[in-house]
Amino acid sequence: DAKTTQPNSMESNEEEPVHLPCNHSTISGTDYIHWYRQLPSQGPEYVIHGLTSNVNNRMASLAIAEDRKSSTLILHRATLRDAAVYYCIRRPGGSNYKLTFGKGTLLTVNP
Amino acid sequence: DAGVIQSPRHEVTEMGQEVTLRCKPISGHNSLFWYRQTMMRGLELLIYFNNNVPIDDSGMPEDRFSAKMPNASFSTLKIQPSEPRDSAVYFCASSQQGVGANVLTFGAGSRLTVL
Repeated sequence: DAKTTQPNSMESNEEEPVHLPCNHSTISGTDYIHWYRQLPSQGPEYVIHGLTSNVNNRMASLAIAEDRKSSTLILHRATLRDAAVYYCIRRPGGSNYKLTFGKGTLLTVNP
Repeated sequence: DAGVIQSPRHEVTEMGQEVTLRCKPISGHNSLFWYRQTMMRGLELLIYFNNNVPIDDSGMPEDRFSAKMPNASFSTLKIQPSEPRDSAVYFCASSQQGVGANVLTFGAGSRLTVL
């Protein structure tokens, strides 16, 4: 049970920003929020993670709601190479290192 | 670093045969995970190791599946005997426990077809 809720699919146009939402209403105070993506015919790859504050890296930005019950992965300018399944995952704190993947959001990017 | 290396990339076998999938984690990583992916069930965690010790094998479907990690640089997932319903892509991933938020690096996967 991934304990996160994401839309099954989203569509975007190339060069436009994409906001991928995730609900994790039962998140505990020590849970990290991880995002991974899986390009066609490849293994999942790490995108970004956060705990409380918004985070930026070269791939994306992660906006975390103040109550931590939801988060949004932001791709600032979508490219065709960003077409993938995006997974939002709660990573429990402490010594439990399991990452449980849900169904994710299939992002389609139109040229 | 070459990343997580899995072999074989593709395997086609007949029902009843033994299948062995192999994984070499990233050097220095001390956690290793085996996942299975199918269209119906998505990505499922089968088992994970910390410091070569199996920690949680609750995802292993049945006794036909076994996994070992004899040292820090090698792990195997064995299916004996194989069945058509075992057809899937099997991913290995590794991470550095205790560093940051335990980011996983995945291999390219081993696609298994059981006829």
